[in-house]
Amino acid sequence: DGGITQSPKYLFRKEGQNVTLSCEQNLNHDAMYWYRQDPGQGLRLIYYSQIVNDFQKGDIAEGYSVSREKKESFPLTVTSAQKNPTAFYLCASTRAPGTGGSGGELFFGEGSRLTVL
Amino acid sequence: GNSVTQMEGPVTLSEEAFLTINCTYTATGYPSLFWYVQYPGEGLQLLLKATKADDKGSNKGFEATYRKETTSFHLEKGSVQVSDSAVYFCALSGWGTGNQFYFGTGTSLTVIP
Repeated sequence: DGGITQSPKYLFRKEGQNVTLSCEQNLNHDAMYWYRQDPGQGLRLIYYSQIVNDFQKGDIAEGYSVSREKKESFPLTVTSAQKNPTAFYLCASTRAPGTGGSGGELFFGEGSRLTVL
Repeated sequence: GNSVTQMEGPVTLSEEAFLTINCTYTATGYPSLFWYVQYPGEGLQLLLKATKADDKGSNKGFEATYRKETTSFHLEKGSVQVSDSAVYFCALSGWGTGNQFYFGTGTSLTVIP
């Protein structure tokens, strides 16, 4: 079955440590996204990538970094510069927009919950 | 610009009650509209979508109609079940968004037996 796999599902980090969240998709999607969700909150965009070797900052990129070396992979690193990293992180993907400008729906992974000790 | 405004929650209903969750949008182009559902501790799942004005999306008894004249995409279900308890997100994307997705803040629904 095609889908998006995020790992780990749960992660604990000590203050001052960098951690990397994995996101892999086998949907052959061009565009990939990282969102952060805090309790009772909506989704906030961290980074997105529309094509391999290219990515853009979202609304809350500070303290995070990404890479897009392969189409199917879009890992997110939460650096020690992120002051409040405890949150639920969601990776998503969609196909590139067609001539109609719509890429269709966004597909989500199951999420990774990061807790800072 | 593009944005989605969603009915504030939480919403608590008795089983078999009628559900409406309001969603309105602003868009610079011709967006597609979506409803996503999120169960506790999970990612979001697409519930239904509509790609043009007057389209009706439907799935699992839920419906929403793309109303361009009122810029709305309200979610409805005639008879909710306990298993419908979740958080519901309205979203838009498509023309004029650069393949970005704009989400509402989510509405938490609890259905009690």
